[in-house]
Amino acid sequence: EADIYQTPRYLVIGTGKKITLECSQTMGHDKMYWYQQDPGMELHLIHYSYGVNSTEKGDLSSESTVSRIRTEHFPLTLESARPSHTSQYLCASSQGQGGYNEQFFGPGTRLTVL
Amino acid sequence: AQSVSQHNHHVILSEAASLELGCNYSYGGTVNLFWYVQYPGQHLQLLLKYFSGDPLVKGIKGFEAEFIKSKFSFNLRKPSVQWSDTAEYFCAVNARNAGNMLTFGGGTRLMVKP
Repeated sequence: EADIYQTPRYLVIGTGKKITLECSQTMGHDKMYWYQQDPGMELHLIHYSYGVNSTEKGDLSSESTVSRIRTEHFPLTLESARPSHTSQYLCASSQGQGGYNEQFFGPGTRLTVL
Repeated sequence: AQSVSQHNHHVILSEAASLELGCNYSYGGTVNLFWYVQYPGQHLQLLLKYFSGDPLVKGIKGFEAEFIKSKFSFNLRKPSVQWSDTAEYFCAVNARNAGNMLTFGGGTRLMVKP
């Protein structure tokens, strides 16, 4: 079944650790996105990719980095986690030109940095 | 940059009550408009979208939304809610000149009492 997956779903980690949040989609979509969402707040776009080897920063400044080496995979990395990184991270994908195309979302990773 | 406002953060209704959730955006150009829903424990998913034509759009599960360009609004409605409509609802806007980028509102948490 075509879907979008995120692992881990929950992560509690200490300050200073390096972490990678995984996102994979089996829909063959060319565009992928990472959003950050604090409880009760808006989703903020932090990274996006229009295809392999394409990555851009979003509206919200983030200390994280992303890579897009394969179409289906769009991992997000924090080199040194801090308590201010505590949040929910949502991955999404879409296909085609134009902003009217639906974005499909993963289940999210809830990150807590102690 | 565009912004999206959802004025009701929490709404509590009884079953069979009518629902209207407000969404206003600030952007003077042409937009694509979306409502996404997140049921408890599930992914964000598309409820309905508008990009052209009839400003009254119908979505899944009996929801509809009306685009009023002069008011910069895209309010979500349902004539009679059910307990299963308990969820968080997000309005999102794509400015046509912003590629595939979505700007989300802060969400409205709806609780329907049986």
